[in-house]
Amino acid sequence: EDQVTQSPEALRLQEGESSSLNCSYTVSGLRGLFWYRQDPGKGPEFLFTLYSAGEEKEKERLKATLTKKESFLHITAPKPEDSATYLCAVLGIQGAQKLVFGQGTRLTINP
Amino acid sequence: DAGVIQSPRHEVTEMGQEVTLRCKPISGHDYLFWYRQTMMRGLELLIYFNNNVPIDDSGMPEDRFSAKMPNASFSTLKIQPSEPRDSAVYFCASSADGTGGGRQYFGPGTRLTVT
Repeated sequence: EDQVTQSPEALRLQEGESSSLNCSYTVSGLRGLFWYRQDPGKGPEFLFTLYSAGEEKEKERLKATLTKKESFLHITAPKPEDSATYLCAVLGIQGAQKLVFGQGTRLTINP
Repeated sequence: DAGVIQSPRHEVTEMGQEVTLRCKPISGHDYLFWYRQTMMRGLELLIYFNNNVPIDDSGMPEDRFSAKMPNASFSTLKIQPSEPRDSAVYFCASSADGTGGGRQYFGPGTRLTVT
């Protein structure tokens, strides 16, 4: 069974204080690893797709990386508007179109 | 594009009542997903459709839950009878690309409270 574990559950940073969120996964065969952002009261919003180990994707202050066992979401010089819950999900070869989500990391950036 | 539309946004009902949640996917998307999100269990896939046909309903908790997609523009998730443990936020999502099915577009969700 495909599984995703995210850590930490919650992270509080000062504005400008860089850090990383972790997503560990086990999957029968990885078709893709996905990062989503979820703001309170809203649905998740797609950020990145990573397909193979060594791949990196960037968007503004966010960079996602992938190894064979985990993915990191690096946040550089964050701003208060980066505060959100960040969800990681995997799509495995046996899961058809079924995304398996982690529990998320709730990130708070204090001004 | 209006994005995925869900209604109602909030629903409060009493135990035993029937609840119907509605979803309009993004035009042209051929996959539609229903999720449930709770603090305890996170985001769980309930069922998904491809070209209006249910493909996998293994996440549907029990027979009280049913979903339909009569056409490409509309889907419903029904709970009958509802129970307090069904209280959660229900999301509908759609996707245009089968191989990249992880890139899904989520609606704003329906917050269901069963008393």
